Amino acid sequence: GAVVSQHPSRVICKSGTSVKIECRSLDFQATTMFWYRQFPKKSLMLMATSNEGSKATYEQGVEKDKFLINHASLTLSTLTVTSAHPEDSSFYICSARLPGGGVLTSYEQYFGPGTRLTVT
Amino acid sequence: SQQGEEDPQALSIQEGENATMNCSYKTSINNLQWYRQNSGRGLVHLILIRSNEREKHSGRLRVTLDTSKKSSSLLITASRAADTASYFCATVANQAGTALIFGKGTTLSVSS
Repeated sequence: GAVVSQHPSRVICKSGTSVKIECRSLDFQATTMFWYRQFPKKSLMLMATSNEGSKATYEQGVEKDKFLINHASLTLSTLTVTSAHPEDSSFYICSARLPGGGVLTSYEQYFGPGTRLTVT
Repeated sequence: SQQGEEDPQALSIQEGENATMNCSYKTSINNLQWYRQNSGRGLVHLILIRSNEREKHSGRLRVTLDTSKKSSSLLITASRAADTASYFCATVANQAGTALIFGKGTTLSVSS
């Protein structure tokens, strides 16, 4: 259980176009999903926290108008890279947390397989 | 921002040897987690240790946590070529939300 999928797995687009990446929790409902970005041989950098039915919370330095996040349902969050440029080329990974509250819950997250974006 | 620093950044060992990776973090934590990432793939959760735990085992994995030193270690015993991957520690701060903050990672290469 607790499977997260991402689509597409790989996308190449031209500079100036927009790209949408989907993140789905397949067998559970995720009220909270997270979007990370990873450069080659680097760690994951949290971009934003996506909450179902409300606006995403962006990390400092992440342009919310460039990286549009929509969490319209309990199983789907989308990240749209608008007016993509070559410097946006990266590996984008989403994750979802199992529902359940309390400070002492595990906070274990399940990650999607990632989307490799190349902007030419 | 990044919370943790792993060391070493890269580790190369022979099959059968043990691999030890260390992670240090900066703020108070609720728990610390270790993840594995194969090249160009998503992350797989390995093990979670809570702030009130000092050691935890899972198969060939052993994790320790020293909250006084704000550090953790991951030991992989009897390593296999299939253990070749990048390993990241991640933390969730006590008072923060639920997002994970990742360390820089250790790239482990196990040769047969």
